[in-house]
Amino acid sequence: TQLLEQSPQFLSIQEGENLTVYCNSSSVFSSLQWYRQEPGEGPVLLVTVVTGGEVKKLKRLTFQFGDARKDSSLHITAAQPGDTGLYLCATDGGGSNYKLTFGKGTLLTVNP
Amino acid sequence: KAGVTQTPRYLIKTRGQQVTLSCSPISGHRSVSWYQQTPGQGLQFLFEYFSETQRNKGNFPGRFSGRQFSNSRSEMNVSTLELGDSALYLCASSPGQELVTGELFFGEGSRLTVL
Repeated sequence: TQLLEQSPQFLSIQEGENLTVYCNSSSVFSSLQWYRQEPGEGPVLLVTVVTGGEVKKLKRLTFQFGDARKDSSLHITAAQPGDTGLYLCATDGGGSNYKLTFGKGTLLTVNP
Repeated sequence: KAGVTQTPRYLIKTRGQQVTLSCSPISGHRSVSWYQQTPGQGLQFLFEYFSETQRNKGNFPGRFSGRQFSNSRSEMNVSTLELGDSALYLCASSPGQELVTGELFFGEGSRLTVL
């Protein structure tokens, strides 16, 4: 099973600051998904990256997939309290195993 | 359209009891997955069903079981509860036709506390 390491584990910042969280693996990702889980809710998919070097933007969120497809980052510009939540990366590991392996997540708190 | 519905949302049990959790997927979705979420271990895969067939099972003891019905609704059961089974149990659905996992649509979860 592919292991995903996310850092930092916790992040508390003020509204308006920028931040970056990371997801790394010792193995190559077939593809990588980023989810956000708000308190009391289930995770919601933000983006899927597939191609090495790929960059995707979702409003103030920028997702990068490393050239070697072993790492990914999520950058948030001008964070807002509504960005508060647990950010999870996940991979299917390739193949037809019908499951996702998740990192333990980065818990982000954006203070007003 | 309606999202994934899980019942009950909260429940408290004592050690040794059993529990059954229910999940209704998004209409038209035939794949249902179950995950256990704890602060220490994060989200861990329990099992996945498609058209009433279990296609994969995670590394959990046999006390954890599940099934899927012909209408795609799913249940999971945990027997002989232990304190360590306290967790948020998340159900997710997807169309399921693809060979590899695409986007999962999660419910709000069932929070189980074992005393």
